[in-house]
Amino acid sequence: NAGVTQTPKFQVLKTGQSMTLQCAQDMNHNSMYWYRQDPGMGLRLIYYSASEGTTDKGEVPNGYNVSRLNKREFSLRLESAAPSQTSVYFCASTKDRSSTEAFFGQGTRLTVV
Amino acid sequence: GNSVTQMEGPVTLSEEAFLTINCTYTATGYPSLFWYVQYPGEGLQLLLKATKADDKGSNKGFEATYRKETTSFHLEKGSVQVSDSAVYFCALSDRISTGNQFYFGTGTSLTVIP
Repeated sequence: NAGVTQTPKFQVLKTGQSMTLQCAQDMNHNSMYWYRQDPGMGLRLIYYSASEGTTDKGEVPNGYNVSRLNKREFSLRLESAAPSQTSVYFCASTKDRSSTEAFFGQGTRLTVV
Repeated sequence: GNSVTQMEGPVTLSEEAFLTINCTYTATGYPSLFWYVQYPGEGLQLLLKATKADDKGSNKGFEATYRKETTSFHLEKGSVQVSDSAVYFCALSDRISTGNQFYFGTGTSLTVIP
């Protein structure tokens, strides 16, 4: 009954450091998404994966890379973190590319100093 | 393009008061509309949805009607409780070539006081 699990929940990075945010879902969903949430801006789509083996850019992809490791896992990598990437990151999944209901993880709060 | 605009908060209400959070949208196609709720320290949870014009979504006493003529999806609840304190996001989902793309409003923070 886990749904969408994100790790870590909190992280502090120094400018220029790299890290990978992990996301896994146990609902056998085909499509997965990464969003960032910033005050006054709602959620913005960074990258998504409509199905295993495919990834596409969203609204704000610069400074990020993703990997759809398998059907369950979709990771987000920051190669060289910047203070502008301080945000709360949410992973989400949908049953398939035509499904309209998204399930969200609990979020990762990232601070870049 | 697609976008969602919702009323700014924060909103503070007394318990048992009537709640309305306004949401309007712009869409090029025929989107599905959603309200998500985010409790402190948690991810977003689907509260209700409507997939076509005139549909009414409802859950936990909350309601919203898909109004194509006014491009709106306002959230209402007749009597709020302290446990309803959360941030509410209006969202739409529109079909694109590679699947569904979601667009979120900026969120409205609701605090209900006893």
